[in-house]
Amino acid sequence: GAGVSQTPSNKVTEKGKYVELRCDPISGHTALYWYRQSLGQGPEFLIYFQGTGAADDSGLPNDRFFAVRPEGSVSTLKIQRTERGDSAVYLCASSQGGSNQPQHFGDGTRLSIL
Amino acid sequence: GESVGLHLPTLSVQEGDNSIINCAYSNSASDYFIWYKQESGKGPQFIIDIRSNMDKRQGQRVTVLLNKTVKHLSLQIAATQPGDSAVYFCAENTDTDKLIFGTGTRLQVFP
Repeated sequence: GAGVSQTPSNKVTEKGKYVELRCDPISGHTALYWYRQSLGQGPEFLIYFQGTGAADDSGLPNDRFFAVRPEGSVSTLKIQRTERGDSAVYLCASSQGGSNQPQHFGDGTRLSIL
Repeated sequence: GESVGLHLPTLSVQEGDNSIINCAYSNSASDYFIWYKQESGKGPQFIIDIRSNMDKRQGQRVTVLLNKTVKHLSLQIAATQPGDSAVYFCAENTDTDKLIFGTGTRLQVFP
């Protein structure tokens, strides 16, 4: 079946611009996660949705970052007033929800801020 | 494409040999652990998981060992193949279901 789909695969924009990154989870998965991965490091948690609500947003670095999941399926990560330090690969994962369920990742969006 | 883990610890093995990748985790309260494989330009791919009430779990060509006393995980790959070349991450699942990833190890397989 289809895995987690993320679009765009690459995004290049100028400092100060607004960007939206989209994630389509595996069908039927109630839990959705966003992570950020910098070169040479493991993914770092940003935010977790259970259904439509953000169950844990403790990883969002500041108020320029925001994510939504209005219908409990597709999620959008939004970054305002982008900075060069926001450049990274943004990964989305989904799981069936509940405890101890494996998270399955998409291939990410590579964001480059010039 | 962009390379994952340019300065990660590297394990080099000959094709057909067994590989052992080690990982130390941080939170003694973590109760679920996952190993992921990440190829360049791709997202982490689920390999195998283990719950804290187990100390060993086997899959196809892979075995995960968990030592809770010293907070240590290992991934054993039998008969390593060139297609196994990638960066491998362990991840621990916290009580809030977010994953904390380890540093990662690059596995290089030589013919």
